[in-house]
Amino acid sequence: LAKTTQPISMDSYEGQEVNITCSHNNIATNDYITWYQQFPSQGPRFIIQGYKTKVTNEVASLFIPADRKSSTLSLPRVSLSDTAVYYCLVGGLSGGYNKLIFGAGTRLAVHP
Amino acid sequence: GAVVSQHPSRVICKSGTSVKIECRSLDFQATTMFWYRQFPKQSLMLMATSNEGSKATYEQGVEKDKFLINHASLTLSTLTVTSAHPEDSSFYICSARGAEKTQETQYFGPGTRLLVL
Repeated sequence: LAKTTQPISMDSYEGQEVNITCSHNNIATNDYITWYQQFPSQGPRFIIQGYKTKVTNEVASLFIPADRKSSTLSLPRVSLSDTAVYYCLVGGLSGGYNKLIFGAGTRLAVHP
Repeated sequence: GAVVSQHPSRVICKSGTSVKIECRSLDFQATTMFWYRQFPKQSLMLMATSNEGSKATYEQGVEKDKFLINHASLTLSTLTVTSAHPEDSSFYICSARGAEKTQETQYFGPGTRLLVL
């Protein structure tokens, strides 16, 4: 299973763009990259998922370089409610089995 | 779409009793469900994986006789903490992965807070 490395914490201010980069040097060919957001005492919430290049949805963008050894979650114009822990995970359907192993995540604090 | 629920949301029990936690996929069929445990200020730790109709696969260090998992249908998995002790107090979270469009993504339940006195 591919291991991921993220910054432990980040600080930002309301209205700024936040980019969180995740390293996954041993990502496998059939692995997807998925980002989750977690608030205290809640289950992780799916943010975005991608395989290569760029993916954008209504809340975030995900940039994946050609070698796929890293990915960057971009949150445009953050607000106080974006203060949470963000997890980057990689996993695929190897053998029909998709097990996600959580790393420490990135604790984002958005300040007024 | 892709909603996962858990029941109860929180439970307090006496040491030595058993507690059952339900995980349901509300709008999709979950071929695989996962159970995680999370202690305060820590990340999620995978406990076990269950596939509908077959025995669960437990992660190393997780006692299968203490944490009983039943995935009896494509929309329901249960985790029973048997003979609970205070050290079992934690936040238990399930996730589900479905077929077709939801196959690549796991969706998580809201979690169950267990406090063993």
